[in-house]
Amino acid sequence: EDQVTQSPEALRLQEGESSSLNCSYTVSGLRGLFWYRQDPGKGPEFLFTLYSAGEEKEKERLKATLTKKESFLHITAPKPEDSATYLCAVQAPLGGNKLVFGAGTILRVKS
Amino acid sequence: DTAVSQTPKYLVTQMGNDKSIKCEQNLGHDTMYWYKQDSKKFLKIMFSYNNKELIINETVPNRFSPKSPDKAHLNLHINSLELGDSAVYFCASSRVVGVHQQETQYFGPGTRLLVL
Repeated sequence: EDQVTQSPEALRLQEGESSSLNCSYTVSGLRGLFWYRQDPGKGPEFLFTLYSAGEEKEKERLKATLTKKESFLHITAPKPEDSATYLCAVQAPLGGNKLVFGAGTILRVKS
Repeated sequence: DTAVSQTPKYLVTQMGNDKSIKCEQNLGHDTMYWYKQDSKKFLKIMFSYNNKELIINETVPNRFSPKSPDKAHLNLHINSLELGDSAVYFCASSRVVGVHQQETQYFGPGTRLLVL
């Protein structure tokens, strides 16, 4: 069964303190790994899609990387506005393109 | 412009009632989804429609019935609501991206359902 595990569950950072979020996955034939950001009371907002091991994508202070077993979301010099829940999801060829989500990492950045 | 919209945003109702949630997307996508996010914030797929055809039907009680009148709309009707149905329901839609055919899913703002 496809499975996604995110760690840590929660992370508190000082403004400017860089860190990484982890997403480890078990899936038969990965078609894509997705990162989303979710603010309280809102729907998930798409950040990145990674397709194959070794791939990296960047957007402002965020950088997502992918290996054969896990993905990292690196946050460089975070600001308070980066505070949110970050969700990782995988898409497998079986199951009609559904996304299997991890439980998320709650990030709080203090000024 | 709202890409994926849902109505209502909040829904408070009594046990045993029947209610519907509506979703519309103006992205020109051909696949739409319903997800449920429980109190632990876990997002789980419920249904998926492609060109009005049901393609994903996870283990969901028969009280939940999706309907897609056209590619831009996907509704969710829930019969005989139970306390355990309280959750946030998200609609999403997707498009094909590049040669890999992976689909990036875009989510609506959610409908917060509370069953009393």
